[in-house]
Amino acid sequence: EIVLTQSPATLSLSPGARATLSCRASQSVTTYLAWYQQKPGQAPRLLIYDASRRAPGIPTRFSGSGSGTDFTLTISSLDPEDFAVYYCQQRRYLLTFGGGTKVEIK
Amino acid sequence: QVQLQESGPGLVKPSETLSLTCTVSGGSLSNYYWSWIRQPPGKGLEWIGYSSDSGITNYNPSLKSRVTISVDTSKKEFSMMLLSVTTADTAVYYCAREGSRLTIMYGAFDSWGQGTLVTVSS
Repeated sequence: EIVLTQSPATLSLSPGARATLSCRASQSVTTYLAWYQQKPGQAPRLLIYDASRRAPGIPTRFSGSGSGTDFTLTISSLDPEDFAVYYCQQRRYLLTFGGGTKVEIK
Repeated sequence: QVQLQESGPGLVKPSETLSLTCTVSGGSLSNYYWSWIRQPPGKGLEWIGYSSDSGITNYNPSLKSRVTISVDTSKKEFSMMLLSVTTADTAVYYCAREGSRLTIMYGAFDSWGQGTLVTVSS
């Protein structure tokens, strides 16, 4: 099983700040990695697929990078609606999710 | 635009079978994997498994002995059965669409149902 470790568990930032979220895989997933945003009481929403491609309708302030075992989701300037929990997910071997990073208002 | 909607009981007794159905509207079942994902209260996401429209299945090894997922193309729905449930199976259950290798977004869930809370309790 491929384990995805997300860090930090919680990120406390102010609106307008830059957010950098990390996802590390226990073995290479090449670029078969996606990122999701989840708000309370809602289903997750796809942000990034194939490590760096934005899903349709996703604002350009969201960007993904990385390959192999180390990946990053960057939010260039936090909008109030971006405070949520973010999950990474791999599809290289079967399918697993990371434990999540909560981005909260400082 | 494709829409997914889960249906099934909100309460199941321990040792019984949990059965859920997801109805797909606004899109074809072809070229996608149809998955179930769950989220225990206050916790993260866990992939349960998927079935393609042609019946190819794959399951989370931790649940493989208890779960079956199937697709009914004539009804445009897919279903999950989870046997011998315990309180640890209490969760919000989501159905979701994953792109196959024939699509651009291979391996990513681009459409989700709203989720349904299933509580296991006597």
